[in-house]
Amino acid sequence: DTVLTQSPALAVSPGERVSISCRASEGVNSYMHWYQQKPGQQPKLLIYKASNLASGVPARFSGSGSGTDFTLTIDPVEADDTATYFCQQSWNDPPTFGGGTKLELK
Amino acid sequence: EVQLQESGPGLVKPSQSLSLTCSVTGYSITSNYWGWIRKFPGNKMEWMGYISYSGSTSYNPSLKSRISITRDTSKNQFFLQLNSVTTEDTATYYCARWWYGGYPDYWGQGVMVTVSS
Repeated sequence: DTVLTQSPALAVSPGERVSISCRASEGVNSYMHWYQQKPGQQPKLLIYKASNLASGVPARFSGSGSGTDFTLTIDPVEADDTATYFCQQSWNDPPTFGGGTKLELK
Repeated sequence: EVQLQESGPGLVKPSQSLSLTCSVTGYSITSNYWGWIRKFPGNKMEWMGYISYSGSTSYNPSLKSRISITRDTSKNQFFLQLNSVTTEDTATYYCARWWYGGYPDYWGQGVMVTVSS
């Protein structure tokens, strides 16, 4: 299976820019997707196919990358962005998820 | 708006079967793909499988011998059955619309299932 590796946690101050990385153990073309999950809630789709903003998602969120290295960027970060962010690939079977990056605000 | 809601028992005994229902409103399950994903304690997420608009299924090979996903189009519901559960199946189970087999774009709230005697 394709393993997706994310940093476990990040801490940033409101108003700053943050980049959350996801590295795949093998190429996934541009078929990487990003989700935000707040405690007690279901995951919410933010970015699909590496760089496409999902409906209703603020333009502060953006995605980039292809192949094995991908980045979710939030600029500027707001207090409400405290959450865990997951990546997921759909190029190789079976679809797999990253371990999540917990974003905390200072 | 597409909405999904999981239902089913929150406690299952080891060796028994886990059965969950996903009720969908705002979109027909005879279009697109509909899947199950679970999140284990500690955050690991696993795609379990999905059923397509035509009724064909695809499962995670790690579960292939234990899992079944079916549907009732008249009720706009789809179902998960996982057989021979162990404590390692303890997780929060989510149903989701799996956009044309690529990624889940609408998720249910999730249901926590504990496997314990």
